[in-house]
Amino acid sequence: DAKTTQPTSMDCAEGRAANLPCNHSTISGNEYVYWYRQIHSQGPQYIIHGLKNNETNEMASLIITEDRKSSTLILPHATLRDTAVYYCITRSYNTDKLIFGTGTRLQVFP
Amino acid sequence: DADVTQTPRNRITKTGKRIMLECSQTKGHDRMYWYRQDPGLGLRLIYYSFDVKDINKGEISDGYSVSRQAQAKFSLSLESAIPNQTALYFCATSDDHGLAGTTDTQYFGPGTRLTVL
Repeated sequence: DAKTTQPTSMDCAEGRAANLPCNHSTISGNEYVYWYRQIHSQGPQYIIHGLKNNETNEMASLIITEDRKSSTLILPHATLRDTAVYYCITRSYNTDKLIFGTGTRLQVFP
Repeated sequence: DADVTQTPRNRITKTGKRIMLECSQTKGHDRMYWYRQDPGLGLRLIYYSFDVKDINKGEISDGYSVSRQAQAKFSLSLESAIPNQTALYFCATSDDHGLAGTTDTQYFGPGTRLTVL
């Protein structure tokens, strides 16, 4: 599975959009991009995943560049409860291993 | 996620003791996983099981063993605990991939905080 690179930390004002970038320049054609988050030592929570197309669900949007070497997770209206560590993970659809990096610590402030 | 439960939630033990961490799920998933997390780091895979007859080692299986007693239960054992096994342990489950309607998403339990003195 490809290695991902994320900023160590980011801040975002409450109510604003939080845009979390992820680089995965060695991603291969059959690897998906997954995003999870972990709120203060709780179990990680699935957010969204995608292969090539942009994806949106009730939690977030995922924008994947055309060359698939990077992606951005967008939380459209961040709240204080979105303060967490966000993990960007690539994985092949035929494996079950999630390789977690150190993620981005997002701090949402009032 | 209340569908995945872990017991105990916290445990303090001494070096050399045998410890079992238990995980139960009501999601009906075949696949189950054990991870550990050290302070400031991401999760690392210890063992995973595709069904009750299939168990596989992850990145860091040394010093650990597992038992899949049923589809819903997956236990992690530390035969002789040592201080560097002090960590937060997570169990997770997932759908079978390749089946229609599955997302291959992993659902995590609340974690067990283990301290080995």
